[in-house]
Formats: sequence, structure tokens, C-alpha cells
Amino acid sequence: GAVVSQHPSWVICKSGTSVKIECRSLDFQATTMFWYRQFPKQSLMLMATSNEGSKATYEQGVEKDKFLINHASLTLSTLTVTSAHPEDSSFYICSAILFPGTGNDHINEKLFFGSGTQLSVL
Amino acid sequence: GENVEQHPSTLSVQEGDSAVIKCTYSDSASNYFPWYKQELGKRPQLIIDIRSNVGEKKDQRIAVTLNKTAKHFSLHITETQPEDSAVYFCAASVDTDKLIFGTGTRLQVFP
Repeated sequence: GAVVSQHPSWVICKSGTSVKIECRSLDFQATTMFWYRQFPKQSLMLMATSNEGSKATYEQGVEKDKFLINHASLTLSTLTVTSAHPEDSSFYICSAILFPGTGNDHINEKLFFGSGTQLSVL
Repeated sequence: GENVEQHPSTLSVQEGDSAVIKCTYSDSASNYFPWYKQELGKRPQLIIDIRSNVGEKKDQRIAVTLNKTAKHFSLHITETQPEDSAVYFCAASVDTDKLIFGTGTRLQVFP
């Protein structure tokens, strides 16, 4: 199957600093990626849809000025948590869509997740 | 928007028994329903999925059923094993677009 790489896998930072998380599709082009946040023992909550070459679409209640998303290329989307605070500590995970018609029709799974980033803000 | 509810939140079974997890969704436009298994701190792993043109799908010990009229779908695991212990999430989406996840079920299989 296709591979989505996410870095870093974990990060510890001081309150007030900004943290950038990268999500890369390694062997396919992803015009659309999604960012999720997961608090301990809770579900994955969709934060935003990242579209290559255009502004991200944020879900209701997600601050777009705090969670900056950039999808500048067909293989990379970044999520920057600006001025992070302890309440932003969470597991952040991206996913990317593998669209058909790109020579990958034999792959049944179309949505691939990154490995996730555990953010701890002190 | 879509809303997915999942029950039960926790499920304990004896090894060899069956486990059933149920989900309901609200958006009748949703047509893709995957199930994921997630271990602590790891990415979700797709274990089975079903599309709205099918009522049931099976893969070895795992099966999923879908009732479009009632807007609910279920995961069935037979002959459970200790390694099946994990958190399971259902999800719904239109095509393979943004997934809306259920609240999760923590399955524990006791030897």
C-alpha cells in the first residue's frame, strides 16, 4: 500500500512556542490531506481538510489562526500549532487520499494515515 | 454535518467468543463505512470497510453489516483472540473523503 510519513513522532515544547508537524505522501501525490486531533482515550476529531494550492477548510470550532495549515506541494502538508499551550497537548495525525486513475487501482485502501505526532506542551 | 455514534464504549469477552460493535450515522449521503483498529499511540489500521451498495462483507473472522435504511452498521469479530484487544473505531464519509469517526470501543479479550 501507499505510505504516509509524519514527523516528528513526538515533541515536547514550552508554552508559547510554535510547533510544526509535517505530513508527506511518499509514493503518491495527495491533493487532499486531513488533519485529526486525538485526546487521550478519545476519538479522532477532524480539524481541517488540507487542499494543495488553496486554503485549508477548517471544521467548526477549530481556530484557523492557531492551527496553520500549508499544503504547498502535492506530497507535503504541514500543521503549525502556534503559541502552543498545555491544552494543545494531544496526538495529531494526518491522512492522505490516494485517488484512483493514478496506476494504483489495485490498492483497495484509498485513505492512508501518518504515524501520528504526540505533542506535549509544558 | 455527519455525526457517528458508537456502542459500547467498552467490551470484554472471553477468548473464543464473538464481539459485536455497533454504529449509527446521521448523514444519508454517507456511502463509505470503514472500521479501524488502533493501538495506543499508533495510527489507526483499516481492518475492513463497506460501501453503501453492499449489505455485508466478510474477511476471515471479521464481518461488517450495513443497514442503509436504519443508518447503522456493525462490526462482528468471531473467535476472538487476545491480540484482538485494542480500541476500535467506526467511521463514515461520502466516498473516501473526510472521515467522521465514532467514539471508539475498547475491546478486551481475556484468555
